[in-house]
Amino acid sequence: GQNIDQPTEMTATEGAIVQINCTYQTSGFNGLFWYQQHAGEAPTFLSYNVLDGLEEKGRFSSFLSRSKGYSYLLLKELQMKDSASYLCAVRATGRKLQFGAGTQVVVTP
Amino acid sequence: DAGVTQSPTHLIKTRGQHVTLRCSPISGHKSVSWYQQVLGQGPQFIFQYYEKEERGRGNFPDRFSARQFPNYSSELNVNALLLGDSALYLCASTLDRENQPQHFGDGTRLSIL
Repeated sequence: GQNIDQPTEMTATEGAIVQINCTYQTSGFNGLFWYQQHAGEAPTFLSYNVLDGLEEKGRFSSFLSRSKGYSYLLLKELQMKDSASYLCAVRATGRKLQFGAGTQVVVTP
Repeated sequence: DAGVTQSPTHLIKTRGQHVTLRCSPISGHKSVSWYQQVLGQGPQFIFQYYEKEERGRGNFPDRFSARQFPNYSSELNVNALLLGDSALYLCASTLDRENQPQHFGDGTRLSIL
């Protein structure tokens, strides 16, 4: 089975940086995904990590340490539109995705 | 190109009824997965289909079933609906290669009265 833990909520001000941590336990690791989900909308893909290290995509970066079962999503230069739920998802052998409960990020002016 | 499309967008049913939800994947995607998302939680995996074959099944009762058609569209069926089945049902499609993400539709909001 899999356990995926991420904080429930984080608050930050516009222009700041926020780091969302995700820890996981899995039998058979085959990649980690981060998704963004605005209220009432579908999740949209942000990033993918399968090897250790940092992947950077504009204002968003994601880091993975497979030995520690740990990932983080870094959001830089926060904008109001970044207020959303951020979902950490682990893909085990067989390619199904197991999602965490999501971290609600609230960006304040 | 069109993304993943789901129908209907909203549905209201009563306990004991059955429901069929539909999904059309992105053109060229042969793998479709279904998820249930209740408020405040992440999506929970229900089924994955690839080339019309069931590839994986989550921890859901036999009241839940699905199938995939030759054009790769898919249906999710739920029988004997319970109040606890009220949720957002998401369909996702993928190219089914190692580094390819799943792309989600906007979901069907199912309410059970």
